[in-house]
Amino acid sequence: GAVVSQHPSWVICKSGTSVKIECRSLDFQATTMFWYRQFPKQSLMLMATSNEGSKATYEQGVEKDKFLINHASLTLSTLTVTSAHPEDSSFYICSAKDRLYEQYFGPGTRLTVT
Amino acid sequence: AQTVTQSQPEMSVQEAETVTLSCTYDTSESDYYLFWYKQPPSRQMILVIRQEAYKQQNATENRFSVNFQKAAKSFSLKISDSQLGDAAMYFCAPPGTASKLTFGTGTRLQVTL
Repeated sequence: GAVVSQHPSWVICKSGTSVKIECRSLDFQATTMFWYRQFPKQSLMLMATSNEGSKATYEQGVEKDKFLINHASLTLSTLTVTSAHPEDSSFYICSAKDRLYEQYFGPGTRLTVT
Repeated sequence: AQTVTQSQPEMSVQEAETVTLSCTYDTSESDYYLFWYKQPPSRQMILVIRQEAYKQQNATENRFSVNFQKAAKSFSLKISDSQLGDAAMYFCAPPGTASKLTFGTGTRLQVTL
């Protein structure tokens, strides 16, 4: 099956710094990637949709200047949390969609902001 | 906006027994796919089963099957011969627009001996 990787799996950063999370589709080309956020014991909340070569589309309430998304190639999307604060601590999950319909999920990145 | 309702926050089933997880949704799409995902403690989202809305036949994947009622917008998951490894959070995901998924609040399934 299709594999999606995320790096890093766990990151701790200090308040005010920025952190980048990478999402890669390893064995297929993903025209569309999605970024989700998941708080403990809650469901996944879609943050943004990322299309290769174009600007990301953000969901209502998600600050696009804080969560910068870049989808520079068909296999890589990055999420940069800028000027991170403790309330940004969460579990971030990406998924990649193949040309059909199915989304394949990465293993997630745990972000802790101190 | 898409709405998804998983009315069972927690379910428990004995090993080897059968359990059904419910999901209802609302969508304006006419042709779509629906998915059930499981999220074990590792937090890796794993596709359990998918259903194509235009197909009348309910999808089946080994011990997992769905009861899809398109008119009622109901999409329940049946797990037969439950195993300890089935313990996880289960999320129903009907379609949103532009291929986006909208996840329900999830059902935590416990499997007991």
